[in-house]
Amino acid sequence: KQEVTQIPAALSVPEGENLVLNCSFTDSAIYNLQWFRQDPGKGLTSLLLIQSSQREQTSGRLNASLDKSSGRSTLYIAASQPGDSATYLCAVRDYGQNFVFGPGTRLSVLP
Amino acid sequence: NAGVTQTPKFRILKIGQSMTLQCAQDMNHNYMYWYRQDPGMGLKLIYYSVGAGITDKGEVPNGYNVSRSTTEDFPLRLELAAPSQTSVYFCASSGASGSRGTDTQYFGPGTRLTVL
Repeated sequence: KQEVTQIPAALSVPEGENLVLNCSFTDSAIYNLQWFRQDPGKGLTSLLLIQSSQREQTSGRLNASLDKSSGRSTLYIAASQPGDSATYLCAVRDYGQNFVFGPGTRLSVLP
Repeated sequence: NAGVTQTPKFRILKIGQSMTLQCAQDMNHNYMYWYRQDPGMGLKLIYYSVGAGITDKGEVPNGYNVSRSTTEDFPLRLELAAPSQTSVYFCASSGASGSRGTDTQYFGPGTRLTVL
């Protein structure tokens, strides 16, 4: 059974720092991996989606990498801003319609 | 486009009551999903649908039912509510018509349900 973990569970950084969030999964047979942002009391917003054949995706200050063989993905946030404060979740999808989410990393960027 | 909409936003039920959570999308997506999110946990898939008239179970389907009579709507029915169903419920959709649902998932704002 696929399991997804995220480290750290919470992170607090000063504004302007570059940071890395980690996602690990136990079964490398994935179709894609997606990173989401969740603001308090709100739904999830997709940030980046990496297909299993890809190594990374970039959007603005965000860069996500995928290493299927080691069961790892990282989300890199450059020059963090207070508006980046949110919970970040990763989710892996198998070759069916099974999506498994990690518990998330709660990020606080201090002004 | 309104995207994915959910109603109600909040609801308190008594044990044994039933209710339907509504979900609608206006993006012509074939794929729709229902998740629950418990505090400090990731989302767990309850049911999903790959098109009108087709539904299937996810990881945690017990105590729930779904139907998909149209492309736009995907209601989730709770029968005989139990305290273990206290959670935040999210509906999501993906994939334009004709695709294999490989696209990004778009989420609704959620329904916060408490069963007392």
